[in-house]
Parts: sequence; structure tokens; C-alpha cells
Amino acid sequence: EIVMTQSPATLSVSPGERATLSCRASQSVNSNLAWYQQKPGQAPRLLFFGASTRATGIPARFSGSGSGTEFTLTISSLQSEDFAVYYCQQYNNWPSWTFGQGTKVEIK
Amino acid sequence: EVQLVQSGAEVKKPGESLKISCKASGYTFTLFWIGWVRQMPGKGLEWLGNIYPGDSDTRYSPSFQGQVTISADKSMNTAYLQWTSLKASDTAMYYCARPDSSGWTPYWGQGTLVTVSS
Repeated sequence: EIVMTQSPATLSVSPGERATLSCRASQSVNSNLAWYQQKPGQAPRLLFFGASTRATGIPARFSGSGSGTEFTLTISSLQSEDFAVYYCQQYNNWPSWTFGQGTKVEIK
Repeated sequence: EVQLVQSGAEVKKPGESLKISCKASGYTFTLFWIGWVRQMPGKGLEWLGNIYPGDSDTRYSPSFQGQVTISADKSMNTAYLQWTSLKASDTAMYYCARPDSSGWTPYWGQGTLVTVSS
């Protein structure tokens, strides 16, 4: 089973600052990596698939990168609506999934 | 427009059985997998399993194999998640999700809150 590890668990950032979130896979998942945003009381929202392809409607301040075992989600200038929990998900051995444990981005 | 509408919140006692549903619309139900994801209170997302309604091929997370049963009714365009004997530790929000054919998931249900308490 592929294990996904996200870091840090919590990231404290001021509005307007840059946020960098990491996701590591226990073995290569190629580029079969998605990122989701979840706000309290809401279902997850797809941000990226294929590690770096933005989903429909996702602002350009969000970017995704990486391949193999190391992935990064970057938010270039945090807006108030970006404070949320972010999850990575591998689908390299589809139709199986694994999620990371999440990174909470909170207001500093 | 793809929509996944889940059944309402449930309150059950330990040992009881339960089946929750996820009704799909806006696409051909038999051509895409549907998955179930658990989120315990204040915790992260955990994959339970996926089903392909076209032939009922079902894959379970090793962590949940034998703990839940996933099924689908093609005539109703509905997927199900069921338990035969609930435990307090099954208390969680459960989401259904419809992935793209590659596995990434743009479509999610609104969630069903299951509370198990004596």
C-alpha cells in the first residue's frame, strides 16, 4: 500500500504571504497525484490533477509541482478564502486511492 | 451537470445495521467508478473502497475490507455503503465521489453524517 505523508501538519501564514505544502509518497506515483481543498462543513474540492494541472475555476495563485515521490502545492499570495485543509491523493494504482493526512493552513 | 446526492444523516446504536446511498445523475452511471471516503470528526480523509457499476467490480482499502460493503443498483443510478454491525468508531462523515476515468475526483456528494451512540 502506498503511504502519502504531508508536511507540515499545520502551516501558520499571514494573508498575502506565500504558502508551500509538501506531499511525499512511499514509492513512485509518477504524476498521478491530486490536491484537494476542504473547508469546514464542506466536501473536498479538487484543485489539481496530474500533479500540476489546475482544475476548472482554480485561481492562478495556486500551483502544483513534482513527480515520482515528492510533490508541492504552492499558494503564492494567501487570500482569506484560502485558509483551509489541503489533502494530496495518489491514484497511481487506480482504482485504489490513498490520501495524505492533510495540512491545515491557518491565519498567523 | 454531474450531481451526487447522498441520503440524510443517521443516528444508530452499536450493533445495528445501516445502508446509506449516493444517487448519481448527469452522466452514464455504468461508465465511471464511484468511491466512498470516510472522515472521522476532526480528522482526515480515508478511502474505503470503489465500485464500477457497469460490472460491480469492487475494490476495498485493506483497512476497510470486511468492515463495510459497497454495492450499486444500475436501475436506480445509486451506490450504497453498508454496515451489518455498527460500532461507535464508525461515527463519521461519509462522502461518495465520482472520479474521472484516471482516478482524480472532481465530483463529490454532500456527505452523510453517521452517528453511532448508545
